[in-house]
Amino acid sequence: GNSVTQMEGPVTLSEEAFLTINCTYTATGYPSLFWYVQYPGEGLQLLLKATKADDKGSNKGFEATYRKETTSFHLEKGSVQVSDSAVYFCALSAGSNYQLIWGAGTKLIIKP
Amino acid sequence: DGGITQSPKYLFRKEGQNVTLSCEQNLNHDAMYWYRQDPGQGLRLIYYSQIVNDFQKGDIAEGYSVSREKKESFPLTVTSAQKNPTAFYLCASSEHPGLLNEKLFFGSGTQLSVL
Repeated sequence: GNSVTQMEGPVTLSEEAFLTINCTYTATGYPSLFWYVQYPGEGLQLLLKATKADDKGSNKGFEATYRKETTSFHLEKGSVQVSDSAVYFCALSAGSNYQLIWGAGTKLIIKP
Repeated sequence: DGGITQSPKYLFRKEGQNVTLSCEQNLNHDAMYWYRQDPGQGLRLIYYSQIVNDFQKGDIAEGYSVSREKKESFPLTVTSAQKNPTAFYLCASSEHPGLLNEKLFFGSGTQLSVL
């Protein structure tokens, strides 16, 4: 079946460090891939998405490339800020009803 | 501003009690969803509705019930049959249900705890 696996957190970095949060998936067909972000005490917001192989989604300095050969959609940012501290969820949309399949989330902590 | 409003922010349930979580949207979206979030886990779908007066069970519907009498409202009732209700509940909506790359809009959630 369809599934999403994210790296376990928390991930703790210093401000201005390079960020990678790994996400791999298993899916039949050609899923769409998403990263959502959840700031403390809030709901989730869409951060970026990619709908086909080799697409790159980007937003607010974050990027992720849809790699079909490695079934991955890793989230990257070149220089993180304290305000990026949040929980990041990778998700895919596939199957007959296109319901989202969610990863477990990765908590990111950025220290000044 | 358009958005999704969930209330209350915090809710406490006694043994054997049913409680109802409110979700209202003014985005004019057709589809609405209820998710449960437990610490260290991804979101799990409880119920979803793609149109007024229709709704479908998600992966963990047991012990929950919903209604969709109005397009803007999708309340969730946590019944006494749900033995482990403590969790963070998120309501979401989308404009075009059934599209592969559809974006979800989320409310700010309700934390339900058992007394």
